Amino acid sequence: DTAVSQTPKYLVTQMGNDKSIKCEQNLGHDTMYWYKQDSKKFLKIMFSYNNKELIINETVPNRFSPKSPDKAHLNLHINSLELGDSAVYFCASSTRTGSVDTIYFGEGSWLTVV
Amino acid sequence: RKEVEQDPGPFNVPEGATVAFNCTYSNSASQSFFWYRQDCRKEPKLLMSVYSSGNEDGRFTAQLNRASQYISLLIRDSKLSDSATYLCVVNNANAGKSTFGDGTTLTVKP
Repeated sequence: DTAVSQTPKYLVTQMGNDKSIKCEQNLGHDTMYWYKQDSKKFLKIMFSYNNKELIINETVPNRFSPKSPDKAHLNLHINSLELGDSAVYFCASSTRTGSVDTIYFGEGSWLTVV
Repeated sequence: RKEVEQDPGPFNVPEGATVAFNCTYSNSASQSFFWYRQDCRKEPKLLMSVYSSGNEDGRFTAQLNRASQYISLLIRDSKLSDSATYLCVVNNANAGKSTFGDGTTLTVKP
């Protein structure tokens, strides 16, 4: 009963291809995120959605397009993949208690662009 | 200046040692604070929240100093299984944003 699940876990693809990563959470959270962790292990937020609405877009190239069909799903589509897109992409969701947002991560999707 | 700064380490300590990690944040409007742990090739997982009054969970103690905008994590009696990267997280709920530090790597050796 994985709380935040994302697929695929591993993805190897060629430059120029278009790929998608799917994410689902069964925690009933209102907010979902995509984070990118690069080769130096730095974890950076890409997008945040609250109840299907985009809240945060952190200067991510237009080639990255998130889509949230409902509050339990947040998918990430990447067009024209580049070598620099190789990273681990973590989906996450959060719940708010008072003024505290606690984030829960999926297991990550390892993307390698060759 | 980064929003959240941590000493990257690495910290290499023997089993049984006490080790402390520090973190500073720049946004005084930040409202909540956490330590996450990330094992190699795994996702970050919540270790503990951090409160001004300080909080303890077994061998782990977290402390927040709002005046100095400083967060700490103390690990006592280190175990081999404590080896991981520890991420400081600062949340601004009004902005709907949590910012992660770059992590501090701990290796506990026999």
